[in-house]
Amino acid sequence: AQKVTQAQTEISVVEKEDVTLDCVYETRDTTYYLFWYKQPPSGELVFLIRRNSFDEQNEISGRYSWNFQKSTSSFNFTITASQVVDSAVYFCALSEAISSGSARQLTFGSGTQLTVLP
Amino acid sequence: DGGITQSPKYLFRKEGQNVTLSCEQNLNHDAMYWYRQDPGQGLRLIYYSQIVNDFQKGDIAEGYSVSREKKESFPLTVTSAQKNPTAFYLCASSISSGVDSNQPQHFGDGTRLSIL
Repeated sequence: AQKVTQAQTEISVVEKEDVTLDCVYETRDTTYYLFWYKQPPSGELVFLIRRNSFDEQNEISGRYSWNFQKSTSSFNFTITASQVVDSAVYFCALSEAISSGSARQLTFGSGTQLTVLP
Repeated sequence: DGGITQSPKYLFRKEGQNVTLSCEQNLNHDAMYWYRQDPGQGLRLIYYSQIVNDFQKGDIAEGYSVSREKKESFPLTVTSAQKNPTAFYLCASSISSGVDSNQPQHFGDGTRLSIL
């Protein structure tokens, strides 16, 4: 069975600190996709990034960066110089095939609640 | 602006009552999904639809029903058979859901359902 584990339930940091959110996944698919979503207090999920299993190049986008390591099945997310507005629940998700030759579904981790204190 | 609209934002259900959650998208996406989120947990898939007039059960379909008569709309009915319906419900859509698709899912603002 495919699984996404976010071991950190809650993290609190002080503004301007760097913070890394961990994500470990399990899959038997050879082709898969990984996503990070942010859920602010308002409730909607906001798409942040996707990575496919063939692309291990790490990415930086502004204050956000992602570290994908296939050898350890990890897809970690780092926020540099955190801000109060970064406070939210962050979900890692794995895209898997629902059935042979059919659709894909997202399997979500349980989320990490990030609180950035002023 | 293009997006996904869920209504209502808050919904209350009486014992033995069916209620329907609305989800409309104007993104011209083929695939639509319904998820349930319980406190402190990730999202679990209830139903999904790849095209109009077709839908499939997800991981926790019991006590729920859906329809997909129009591309833009994917309403979810929470039936009286769902004994623990209190949760946050999120609707999503994506360009396609094919096996080679890596398209991200876009989400609505959610509906919070509670039991009276």
